[in-house]
Amino acid sequence: EAGVAQSPRYKIIEKRQSVAFWCNPISGHATLYWYQQILGQGPKLLIQFQNNGVVDDSQLPKDRFSAERLKGVDSTLKIQPAKLEDSAVYLCASSAPFKKLFFGSGTQLSVL
Amino acid sequence: EDKVVQSPLSLVVHEGDTVTLNCSYEVTNFRSLLWYKQEKKAPTFLFMLTSSGIEKKSGRLSSILDKKELFSILNITATQTGDSAVYLCAVEGETSGSRLTFGEGTQLTVNP
Repeated sequence: EAGVAQSPRYKIIEKRQSVAFWCNPISGHATLYWYQQILGQGPKLLIQFQNNGVVDDSQLPKDRFSAERLKGVDSTLKIQPAKLEDSAVYLCASSAPFKKLFFGSGTQLSVL
Repeated sequence: EDKVVQSPLSLVVHEGDTVTLNCSYEVTNFRSLLWYKQEKKAPTFLFMLTSSGIEKKSGRLSSILDKKELFSILNITATQTGDSAVYLCAVEGETSGSRLTFGEGTQLTVNP
């Protein structure tokens, strides 16, 4: 079974630039999540999709972060403009309804 | 707001030692508690616990949940250097859909 695919693996940008991350979930998983993990902390949920609809985006900084899942499969997360404090690992995960989450390898973002 | 507290935050042991990692939580309408192992970036699933007092076991790892006292422990016996990782505890509440709230994690280092 193929896992959750994410790209790029690493990204280095300067503050105020924009960046986008891509995620392809496990086939058949209706629920997709984006988590932000700052060094030394546990993952924090940014947004949760059920198919192509948003279930929870209460912790997404909407002034600079956006995410979409147009066809209910893959998803993109964008940051515009980036700030220094956005430096983190961005993890995508997927699950079948009420089942355990499977995580991708993440994107390591460094904002200079 | 759901909350997860893990202890200790870091632990250094020698190969062959037994370790116990702790996780206490506050969650509205508890549904499940999950343990993940994070070696590099992608957390990998270890256990899902939903009922009190029933031990889940996988090789040298085991975990148990106490829903009355609101905590869980993860035991690793005969530790190996390959057990070195961050161990994350997360809880899921019925009111939060499938959203997981993570603790900060315990950084375990096993020295030869």
